[in-house]
Amino acid sequence: AQKVTQAQTEISVVEKEDVTLDCVYETRDTTYYLFWYKQPPSGELVFLIRRNSFDEQNEISGRYSWNFQKSTSSFNFTITASQVVDSAVYFCALSLWGGDSGAGSYQLTFGKGTKLSVIP
Amino acid sequence: ETGVTQTPRHLVMGMTNKKSLKCEQHLGHNAMYWYKQSAKKPLELMFVYSLEERVENNSVPSRFSPECPNSSHLFLHLHTLQPEDSALYLCASSPNSDINQPQHFGDGTRLSIL
Repeated sequence: AQKVTQAQTEISVVEKEDVTLDCVYETRDTTYYLFWYKQPPSGELVFLIRRNSFDEQNEISGRYSWNFQKSTSSFNFTITASQVVDSAVYFCALSLWGGDSGAGSYQLTFGKGTKLSVIP
Repeated sequence: ETGVTQTPRHLVMGMTNKKSLKCEQHLGHNAMYWYKQSAKKPLELMFVYSLEERVENNSVPSRFSPECPNSSHLFLHLHTLQPEDSALYLCASSPNSDINQPQHFGDGTRLSIL
């Protein structure tokens, strides 16, 4: 069975500080995808990034960067120079394709989320 | 504007009521999903529809009944719900039912069972 752990339930930072959100995952599969989603107070989840298990290159997108470490099963997310608009709940997720049709084929596991508050 | 619209935004119902949640996507996607988000629990995938056909029912109780009349609309019919069903119900869509694709989510319906 797969599992996603976001150990940080809530984090508060002052604006312009850097912050790293941790994500640790467990799976026996060698082929999988990892995601980060942002959920602002309005409710909808917004897709941020997808990474497949064969691509360990780190990625940077503006103030956002992601560090994928297969050796430690981690996919951490860093926000540089945080802003108030970054305040949201951030979810890490792991997807697998079960391979057969029918119930249980869709393996999409989310972590419990980390609530980030950026204080002005 | 996310391209996925859910109505109503909030719903309060008694345990004996029957109500429906509606989701509409304007993205031309072929797959739609229902999720349940409860406090302090991970997001739970409930149902997956691909081209109006249900392809996943993730052990969801029968008091939740999905319906997908076309690839743009998805309903979740509710009846005889329990207090533990109070949660945020999120709808999502993706180009096809490949679970490895990013999904586009609606704002959710906040459901409260009295």
